[in-house]
Amino acid sequence: GIQVEQSPPDLILQEGANSTLRCNFSDSVNNLQWFHQNPWGQLINLFYIPSGTKQNGRLSATTVATERYSLLYISSSQTTDSGVYFCAVPPSGTYKYIFGTGTRLKVLA
Amino acid sequence: GAVVSQHPSRVICKSGTSVKIECRSLDFQATTMFWYRQFPKQSLMLMATSNEGSKATYEQGVEKDKFLINHASLTLSTLTVTSAHPEDSSFYICSARGSRAYEQYFGPGTRLTVT
Repeated sequence: GIQVEQSPPDLILQEGANSTLRCNFSDSVNNLQWFHQNPWGQLINLFYIPSGTKQNGRLSATTVATERYSLLYISSSQTTDSGVYFCAVPPSGTYKYIFGTGTRLKVLA
Repeated sequence: GAVVSQHPSRVICKSGTSVKIECRSLDFQATTMFWYRQFPKQSLMLMATSNEGSKATYEQGVEKDKFLINHASLTLSTLTVTSAHPEDSSFYICSARGSRAYEQYFGPGTRLTVT
């Protein structure tokens, strides 16, 4: 089956710093979503981004489907950005999502 | 819009008993819902795909007789953990497929503890 790897697995930042999270997937996909899982476990959808670039405030994401990767950029990080970031993809021909390994982010005040 | 709820949010049960978790799409109809399990500090693992009016499709390694899934209406899917054991303790999350084919909306999760 499809493999979805994220890097780095853990990241510690000072407040105000910028970061780039990466998601690599092993097969072609029809979509990709980025999520932030808050400390209570709720998954918050950040981007629905099968290809191209999108921006929402301090966050932006780029997916290069032909090269099978996506990047999530966080600028001017805040302590509330802490949590786990997941990318998830549906293998071609399906609607079910396979989640990546996750990046655990901690932003220090 | 596109809100998914789960009930209960947290449940503790004794080993050997069964527990039912509900997943509801509140403001849209969902012909397909998905159930995931997440152990501490791990990623979400897809357990099964639930289609309204038909049998669920389970992922490899998931015991269908232990994790009973019923999708009786376009807004409700239930997961019943039968004869629960401490190793079933986990965070269970459902999602519902929206009107745009590849978008999914996730519930807040149910934390199950089996003592």
